[in-house]
Amino acid sequence: QSALTQPPSASGSPGQSVTISCTGTSSDVGGYKYVSWYQQHPGKAPKVLIYEVNKRPSGVPDRFSGSKSGSTASLTVSGLQAEDEADYYCSSYADTNNYVFGTGTKVTVL
Amino acid sequence: QVQLVESGGGVVQPGRSLRLSCAASEFTFSSHGMFWVRQAPGKGLEWVALIWYDGSIKSYADSVKGRFSISRDNSKNTLFLQMNSLRAEDTAVYYCARGGTSWDLDYWGQGTLVTVSS
Repeated sequence: QSALTQPPSASGSPGQSVTISCTGTSSDVGGYKYVSWYQQHPGKAPKVLIYEVNKRPSGVPDRFSGSKSGSTASLTVSGLQAEDEADYYCSSYADTNNYVFGTGTKVTVL
Repeated sequence: QVQLVESGGGVVQPGRSLRLSCAASEFTFSSHGMFWVRQAPGKGLEWVALIWYDGSIKSYADSVKGRFSISRDNSKNTLFLQMNSLRAEDTAVYYCARGGTSWDLDYWGQGTLVTVSS
């Protein structure tokens, strides 16, 4: 049950795009379509942005998009806005009814 | 609107026990898997435990296996986490979260803080 690997930080100027990677193994990210992404602002509970690799819940702007290749998933935030400054976490279903989160990425809007 | 409200957190000495509760409302609780997720101060999210909609399947992170127990009472729309043999490293905000249709956690509670300290 090792955490999925994310870069500790990412940044971009308003209007730019930033992409966050999430690397796992064939037992989690690579083996299933159940990859999700969460946004967490300081002192708040996480909020789901993406589920099933690339699907957006109702109400999530289409500036947020997800993809997956092999055992690496990615979240892209396009048209960065000040309110996108937050921590982002990926997660995945893992073998035999387990679950795992990524290490987290702090996104800074310059 | 879906609501999840955790309770039961507090300060506890190492080796003691604590039971967290999560009261669910405004959705059909018995139709959803439920999760406990924790976040140590200044750290990332860590999955703790999950339970299927009917309680038939329970699973735990290696870090809590054998010490923590997840359960649910579908008649009372309540999720529980029994935490035994607590350690300093169990200090965290504990969130309960609802399982969505695709192993996403689509609703979260506000969290309850557990501090393990002598």
